[in-house]
Amino acid sequence: DTEVTQTPKHLVMGMTNKKSLKCEQHMGHRAMYWYKQKAKKPPELMFVYSYEKLSINESVPSRFSPECPNSSLLNLHLHALQPEDSALYLCASSQDAQREYSGELFFGEGSRLTVL
Amino acid sequence: AQSVTQLGSHVSVSEGALVLLRCNYSSSVPPYLFWYVQYPNQGLQLLLKYTTGATLVKGINGFEAEFKKSETSFHLTKPSAHMSDAAEYFCAVTLYNFNKFYFGSGTKLNVKP
Repeated sequence: DTEVTQTPKHLVMGMTNKKSLKCEQHMGHRAMYWYKQKAKKPPELMFVYSYEKLSINESVPSRFSPECPNSSLLNLHLHALQPEDSALYLCASSQDAQREYSGELFFGEGSRLTVL
Repeated sequence: AQSVTQLGSHVSVSEGALVLLRCNYSSSVPPYLFWYVQYPNQGLQLLLKYTTGATLVKGINGFEAEFKKSETSFHLTKPSAHMSDAAEYFCAVTLYNFNKFYFGSGTKLNVKP
């Protein structure tokens, strides 16, 4: 099993809503990532979890709140988002988080978020 | 700090023609290098990677890339383009950064019949 599974694939929410994006991998990877991708742009790193601990936060606004309940799951909680937060949110994982080379990234198909 | 530059945001080739997508990196030491492909409304899929060893690496779908330290390049090639190769291609680098991957701005490949 070499998949990273993201749900939902599409999400439409208002600026006052609270929603969550979910990501799951069963490859035994110990690093998990959230990326944000706007149209015609490369993915931008948001957060990295290493062995279930937040290791990198790229100065992301607090309206995005990540959570890593266990080594296979990664959530992104969304609250009071702005229309400019509309984007494709990509989850990724890699093999080993505590070495200089942690292995390549495996991406999910993404969650397309639209904020009205 | 390291960075990745992809020359050409759009590349158009005819079906059967050579594909060449350019990637240059800036780093004081050899990085780990990757090429990813992204089809519309999908995630990124690894095409190939260079970590250590042989500088010519082969990937999926007939693509290959050569790491040239003297030129700080990692260009992606395919001898004969297929219509199904039309997609966005991203070069990426990571260097001793414990999980930080830096992506180039991407190159959209168009394949004409």
